[in-house]
Amino acid sequence: GEQVEQRPPHLSVREGDSAFITCTYTDPNSYYFFWYKQEPGASLQLLMKVFSSTEINEGQGFTVLLNKKDKRLSLNLTAAHPGDSAAYFCAVGQGGRALIFGTGTTVSVSP
Amino acid sequence: DMKVTQMPRYLIKRMGENVLLECGQDMSHETMYWYRQDPGLGLQLIYISYDVDSNSEGDIPKGYRVSRKKREHFSLILDSAKTNQTSVYFCASSLGQNQDTQYFGPGTRLLVL
Repeated sequence: GEQVEQRPPHLSVREGDSAFITCTYTDPNSYYFFWYKQEPGASLQLLMKVFSSTEINEGQGFTVLLNKKDKRLSLNLTAAHPGDSAAYFCAVGQGGRALIFGTGTTVSVSP
Repeated sequence: DMKVTQMPRYLIKRMGENVLLECGQDMSHETMYWYRQDPGLGLQLIYISYDVDSNSEGDIPKGYRVSRKKREHFSLILDSAKTNQTSVYFCASSLGQNQDTQYFGPGTRLLVL
């Protein structure tokens, strides 16, 4: 079945730098993807939902890239600020089965 | 305002006691989920419910059971809790299945002594 590997598990950056998180998946039939943000002690909040038809997705302060050939989903926090400090989870889906979540990346942004 | 609620938020139980975790949603979503979250493991799916009395095992159902008698409520039951069931439990709901966005509750922190 589908497997999702998320890297790195931990990431420390300075304010203003970029933070880059990658998920690789194995099933080429996967066609929809999610990024969730979880602040300390809180629940998961949807950052972005993307479909395989769009390779570059712009959000507020971040970009989601999808490389279907390499089966890689990436989240780039551009110009990170302390409010971006959180855990980030990718999730990969296809019809007929439940989402598969990555193991998460804890991002720490220092001033 | 779309909302998923969970009760209780914190719970301490002794090994062998029964545990009931409750989840509610006000969005008339068909599908509801129970996950547990452990450090380094991400979210693991325990059970999924497609509607009232239509429940399926997830990836780690052993030691758990669920009940969904109303569309807006989904319960997770631990009969005779074990120490390795200490975890944070999240409930989620989605409009339908598959590609629909899952909305998560605030979580329940369970400690089994």
